[in-house]
Amino acid sequence: QSALTQPRSVSGSPGQSVTISCTGTSSDVGGYNYVSWYQQHPGKAPKLMIYDVSKRPSGVPDRFSGSKSGNTASLTISGLQAEDEADYYCCSYAGSYTFYVVFGGGTKLTVL
Amino acid sequence: QVQLVESGGGVVQPGGSLRLSCAASGFTFSSYGMHWVRQAPGKGLEWVAFIRYDGSNKYYADSVKGRFTISRDNSKNTLYLQMNSLRAEDTAVYYCAKDPRIAIAFDYWGQGTLVTVSS
Repeated sequence: QSALTQPRSVSGSPGQSVTISCTGTSSDVGGYNYVSWYQQHPGKAPKLMIYDVSKRPSGVPDRFSGSKSGNTASLTISGLQAEDEADYYCCSYAGSYTFYVVFGGGTKLTVL
Repeated sequence: QVQLVESGGGVVQPGGSLRLSCAASGFTFSSYGMHWVRQAPGKGLEWVAFIRYDGSNKYYADSVKGRFTISRDNSKNTLYLQMNSLRAEDTAVYYCAKDPRIAIAFDYWGQGTLVTVSS
């Protein structure tokens, strides 16, 4: 199982929207609706932002949304705020005959 | 509120062993699967292992299979990771994370414990 592919960095100005892509294969992202996204600020633990491709846990602002097309999942953050600056990781179930999970390499979001 | 507190990290020589613990509170520990996820310094996240709520099934990343063992004691609300034959590439912050049961994800995370494998 290989890691999912994310852009190393993205940026946007306050109020704008940004989209982070996460590309896998038919054995992970494309094969299951079990994509999740995590936000991680420096020195902190990751925080769940999206699960099951597009569902938001309670307490996560609706500025965060997720989608998937084929083997690529996306996280869109609208109305960018300074506190959104962080690392973002995608994650997908990848088990065919056993339980297995793979992460993306992470994307650094800079709010200009 | 859900709280996960890892302990047991430290410096160990290559080939050595270490056991991590994760004390859980704020939820019915015995009803949820649990994971270990690690992050090497300056690197991304890597899933390590998963154990079902009752300990009946355990799953491992290829990178640790045969060397690491995940276990739990539901009477003590504690998750464990026994790490043997440690290598330099195992150096990382190790997080325990709760499985939400309704999805394949990690809904709560501990603050992590640092494991350094070095001579």
